[in-house]
Amino acid sequence: GIQVEQSPPDLILQEGANSTLRCNFSDSVNNLQWFHQNPWGQLINLFYIPSGTKQNGRLSATTVATERYSLLYISSSQTTDSGVYFCAPGGSQGNLIFGKGTKLSVKP
Amino acid sequence: NAGVMQNPRHLVRRRGQEARLRCSPMKGHSHVYWYRQLPEEGLKFMVYLQKENIIDESGMPKERFSAEFPKEGPSILRIQQVVRGDSAAYFCASSDRFYTGELFFGEGSRLTVL
Repeated sequence: GIQVEQSPPDLILQEGANSTLRCNFSDSVNNLQWFHQNPWGQLINLFYIPSGTKQNGRLSATTVATERYSLLYISSSQTTDSGVYFCAPGGSQGNLIFGKGTKLSVKP
Repeated sequence: NAGVMQNPRHLVRRRGQEARLRCSPMKGHSHVYWYRQLPEEGLKFMVYLQKENIIDESGMPKERFSAEFPKEGPSILRIQQVVRGDSAAYFCASSDRFYTGELFFGEGSRLTVL
């Protein structure tokens, strides 16, 4: 099955800083999503991005499927951005394979 | 709210009891996925169902766990004779198409086994 590696595993930022989270995957995929799991455990869809670049406010994502990686950019970080960010490329049955996540802490 | 609905949100069971978790997909979605999340870990795929069919159960333990998605009503994940190691958050997701569809997750059901 698909192997997913996310880096860094932990990240501490000062409010207002920018960051890039990386996701490498081991096989070609037709689906990839980024999620934010907030401190209450809710999974929030950030991007559905099997290829290309998308932007939503302070967040943007790029997937280069041919090189098997995806990047999530967070600009001008806020304390509400804290939580765990998961990358999840698609498996053979449409199920998503989750990485271990990047735990982000934004300090005021 | 037309999102994925899961209940109960929290469930406490004693060892040996049964746990039943329910999931109603988003309107118009016929693909349902169940995932389990242990503390401080990512989500692990358990099972993929369409109406009245189990499509892929490769992630589900062979014993004590079962899942169904009947023609009418929600999908149900059933855990028999629960053990402490079953304590986890169980998430359901739904999609409107096979393989390339975006998955939308419910808020999860948190099972605690005493």
